[in-house]
Amino acid sequence: DVKVTQSSRYLVKRTGEKVFLECVQDMDHENMFWYRQDPGLGLRLIYFSYDVKMKEKGDIPEGYSVSREKKERFSLILESASTNQTSMYLCASSKQGTLAKNIQYFGAGTRLSVL
Amino acid sequence: GQNIDQPTEMTATEGAIVQINCTYQTSGFNGLFWYQQHAGEAPTFLSYNVLDGLEEKGRFSSFLSRSKGYSYLLLKELQMKDSASYLCAVGFNNAGNMLTFGGGTRLMVKP
Repeated sequence: DVKVTQSSRYLVKRTGEKVFLECVQDMDHENMFWYRQDPGLGLRLIYFSYDVKMKEKGDIPEGYSVSREKKERFSLILESASTNQTSMYLCASSKQGTLAKNIQYFGAGTRLSVL
Repeated sequence: GQNIDQPTEMTATEGAIVQINCTYQTSGFNGLFWYQQHAGEAPTFLSYNVLDGLEEKGRFSSFLSRSKGYSYLLLKELQMKDSASYLCAVGFNNAGNMLTFGGGTRLMVKP
């Protein structure tokens, strides 16, 4: 069974803190994604990676960075957390190839509150 | 931008049929996905359409018209457990096969 695991379900951080959100997948997928989900706005792509050490900006990369040192792990970093980064963060992974094979499998999400 | 539009909320009765619509910009279209997301849980894959027509999977069907930039998800014989958000996501011709998601439709099934 496919599995995408996010390290925390809930996090509370203070403004200005550096925050790490971790995601691990066990399906040997090449692609990994970080989204944030806000009411009325749907899922918005922050960053994605199609290979180790490779990263591409999504629609809303400002204030975030990512790290992919190993194929199975994709980390999202908030360099200096701000209150407008309070959100649900979802990680996903998918196999490389045609879009038909590109079903994205999601983790359960991390609900981050920045105070 | 690549706008994906779907209704925010819908309500239906147990045992009935409901249709959730999704419209999108046609330029660069490369496929359309539907996902289901129960409150507090991960989105899970329901269906994929790349050619025009209807794809049926048990109680769920998904339809696509590429020329109209239109899809719908049809849920038959509604059950209470179908209460969830339904996310329409479109793949456009771009690096990494990224998906653009609509805002999601929250479906409430009432007895």
